[in-house]
Amino acid sequence: DAGVTQSPTHLIKTRGQQVTLRCSPKSGHDTVSWYQQALGQGPQFIFQYYEEEERQRGNFPDRFSGHQFPNYSSELNVNALLLGDSALYLCASSPFPRGPEMNTEAFFGQGTRLTVV
Amino acid sequence: DQQVKQNSPSLSVQEGRISILNCDYTNSMFDYFLWYKKYPAEGPTFLISISSIKDKNEDGRFTVFLNKSAKHLSLHIVPSQPGDSAVYFCAGGGADGLTFGKGTHLIIQP
Repeated sequence: DAGVTQSPTHLIKTRGQQVTLRCSPKSGHDTVSWYQQALGQGPQFIFQYYEEEERQRGNFPDRFSGHQFPNYSSELNVNALLLGDSALYLCASSPFPRGPEMNTEAFFGQGTRLTVV
Repeated sequence: DQQVKQNSPSLSVQEGRISILNCDYTNSMFDYFLWYKKYPAEGPTFLISISSIKDKNEDGRFTVFLNKSAKHLSLHIVPSQPGDSAVYFCAGGGADGLTFGKGTHLIIQP
């Protein structure tokens, strides 16, 4: 089992450009979440996808958008990049919670390090 | 507003002793809590979780305690080993995904 895989591992973009990050979930997982981790901070929830739809969203602007494909893989798109978007972007997969007390541990990929210059 | 707080940026513990990492939260709507461990250049790795209806969960050397009235949880690692040196994140889980603290850097000294 390859676990959660993300590509690319590192990326450098210029302010104003657009970027697409990719994620393949762990086998058997149908839910993908994206997180942004700035230096010295904990991961911050961007959004979650299930059944190819955005189900939940954190406090991020519309410049951040995503997509989930029928094979459960996902993309994160960021438009009009700002210097402040430089961060580690983490993808996490999990089975969709089907009970209120179901502890849904998320399995994380190694992340994509995005640098905006 | 930081809903999950880890007030100790770092913690140094001697090998073989107990490591205690603390976490406070303000959101009463969390359904469960999780602890993750992160090495440099890797994604967070799930360690242990606890439902909001429990007060203790144990898995090998790792035990998580939850005090709902104090909105506090802690992770105990006994005995501490050199491979435990990493950044530990506490997270609350619920309808709004996972909310993480800023992490505590645990350093195990020989």
